[in-house]
Parts: sequence; structure tokens; C-alpha cells
Amino acid sequence: QSVLTQPPSASGAPRQRVTISCSGSRSNIGRNTVNWFQQFPGMAPKLLIYFNSQRPSGVPDRFSGSESGTSASLAISGLQSEDEADYYCASWDDNLNGPVFGGGTKLTVL
Amino acid sequence: QVQLVESGGGVVQPGRSLRLSCAASGFIFSRHGMHWVRQAPGKGLEWVAAIWNDGGNEKYVDSVEGRFTISRDNSKNTLYLQMNSLRVEDTAVYYCARDHTTRATIPSDYWGQGTLVTVSS
Repeated sequence: QSVLTQPPSASGAPRQRVTISCSGSRSNIGRNTVNWFQQFPGMAPKLLIYFNSQRPSGVPDRFSGSESGTSASLAISGLQSEDEADYYCASWDDNLNGPVFGGGTKLTVL
Repeated sequence: QVQLVESGGGVVQPGRSLRLSCAASGFIFSRHGMHWVRQAPGKGLEWVAAIWNDGGNEKYVDSVEGRFTISRDNSKNTLYLQMNSLRVEDTAVYYCARDHTTRATIPSDYWGQGTLVTVSS
């Protein structure tokens, strides 16, 4: 059971907007920033969002991140078939004194 | 360009040891904290260990504390993970990942391709 809680699956039709949630607590998301990663099968994770809402260069602006209280969200607008992947959130946890990941969300583009 | 290349994975019996390496290039290795993250077959990501840029501080997930040791050689731009007393549940792909700071906060912008460790009798 992961410290950060994500829905196991999400789906949307092409061109739609989908949101993936990441629920934590005061010891992690409530006090620290969140990174989001995208992972395709058999591949290494790729950083999508850092510091809650910042995009590394090269990441399309269709991807956006937000944070409120003890939860964070990743939004993907204008959904494309190539967005079909697993998505993970991560944050530092003050109680565990280390980083923690969400369990991952498998995104299906219908 | 930034590259992280893991090596050292393989098949090992329970109770035995293995050392993973992660060769870094394309950035100033000594300016970044580094992490090991693993992924069991069909499962999610699990942070394993991290080390500050100067090697002065290490952190571990509880399940590997006392069995695994993270280290680095900044003169060789290489990160290591010494894994002792391996268990079947340590079976996973192990990734090294860069931290965006000098300390060990959360894995960030660059990851290696991973190396598979299989613990089986």
C-alpha cells in the first residue's frame, strides 16, 4: 500500500481532458512539492512535472500540475493516443524521512 | 547529453550479494544527489536509497536498511548499490536517478534505463 494514493486507472477519449489525482498527508504533499512521472512499458520513467506545476523543457503544455492542501493533480488536455502510459506522483515525506511514490495510474485513451 | 547507465544486474540466489553500478556522464556528477529506485515485475515504483552529492549522507527505505549500501565515487562519476542478504522480494528492475539538488530529496529529471535483478533459488 503506497503512502500516496492514486486511482489505479483513468481513461478518456482523444481530444478530451483527463485528471489524475494524488492524495497524501501533511507530512508529504502538505509540506513538500510533488513530481509527476510518465512511464511506458519496458521504459524508464520520464519527469513530466516538478515543483508541483513546472514543466521541464520538451514536455508539451498539454500537461499541467497543481497542488492544494494534501493533494496534487496532473491534468492532460487534448488527449492523444501516445499519452497512454502509467503515471506516478512522488513527494518527500517528513515522517519517513525519504521520498514516496504513488501506486501509479494506468491511463487508457479510448 | 546527460546519461545514466546501470550495470551489474543478474540472477542470484537468496542470501547472496550483488553490486550495481550507475555510470554518469554529461553533467557535473558531484553537484547532484542520486537515488536508486526499483520496480518489481508488474508493480509500481519504489524508492530504495539516496545519497548526497558529497557522499556525506545516505538514506534507505526500511525494507533494505542494514542490507543495502549506497555509495558513490565522484572521481569516477559512478554511483553504486551494494546489495547483501538478497531476498526473493528484492527482485526488480533497479533504476538510478538524478536529484535536482545537491542533497537527496526526490528523484527528478534523469533516469537510467534500469538493470534487472532476479533473486531466485
